[in-house]
Amino acid sequence: SQTIHQWPATLVQPVGSPLSLECTVEGTSNPNLYWYRQAAGRGLQLLFYSVGIGQISSEVPQNLSASRPQDRQFILSSKKLLLSDSGFYLCAWRKLNTEAFFGQGTRLTVV
Amino acid sequence: DQQVKQNSPSLSVQEGRISILNCDYTNSMFDYFLWYKKYPAEGPTFLISISSIKDKNEDGRFTVFLNKSAKHLSLHIVPSQPGDSAVYFCAANSGGSNYKLTFGKGTLLTVNP
Repeated sequence: SQTIHQWPATLVQPVGSPLSLECTVEGTSNPNLYWYRQAAGRGLQLLFYSVGIGQISSEVPQNLSASRPQDRQFILSSKKLLLSDSGFYLCAWRKLNTEAFFGQGTRLTVV
Repeated sequence: DQQVKQNSPSLSVQEGRISILNCDYTNSMFDYFLWYKKYPAEGPTFLISISSIKDKNEDGRFTVFLNKSAKHLSLHIVPSQPGDSAVYFCAANSGGSNYKLTFGKGTLLTVNP
């Protein structure tokens, strides 16, 4: 069966510090991978998606970047965090035209 | 531009009664719709989906209805249970090579015992 792992579960970082959130998927190959952010009152906002190794599409201009170094690994990064980067970050995978499966999320607080 | 809209931020229902959650969309290219349930500090979990070639899909206590002409879908939960209390998200995907799922803002459902 397929599983998705996302860590850490919570993170408190100072403004200006770097960020690296990691997500891995097991039990499937060549999944589409996604990073979403849930901010208060804004639902689930798609940040990045990837259809293959090294292929990243960005949905919104922002202070974050994503990379996919391996087929089942997706990383969300920032060189310098802003207060506005605080939120609940979710990684997900899916095959085309099926449901998406989400990780447990990372609560990021930038102080 | 919000393509998937959940206009009710919250809904309160008595245990045993029906919960009806609504969702509207604007993109006529959407052809696959999903509902997710989310508890605080957890990732969303998939509930039920419907393709645009259908107008109804049922799975246990959950039924999704799709009205393409009105660009409207709804999720019915019967009977509602206190454990159903959560945020419910509607999502949509257009077909072909579109890889994105577009989500609404969610509706907080509270089922009172």
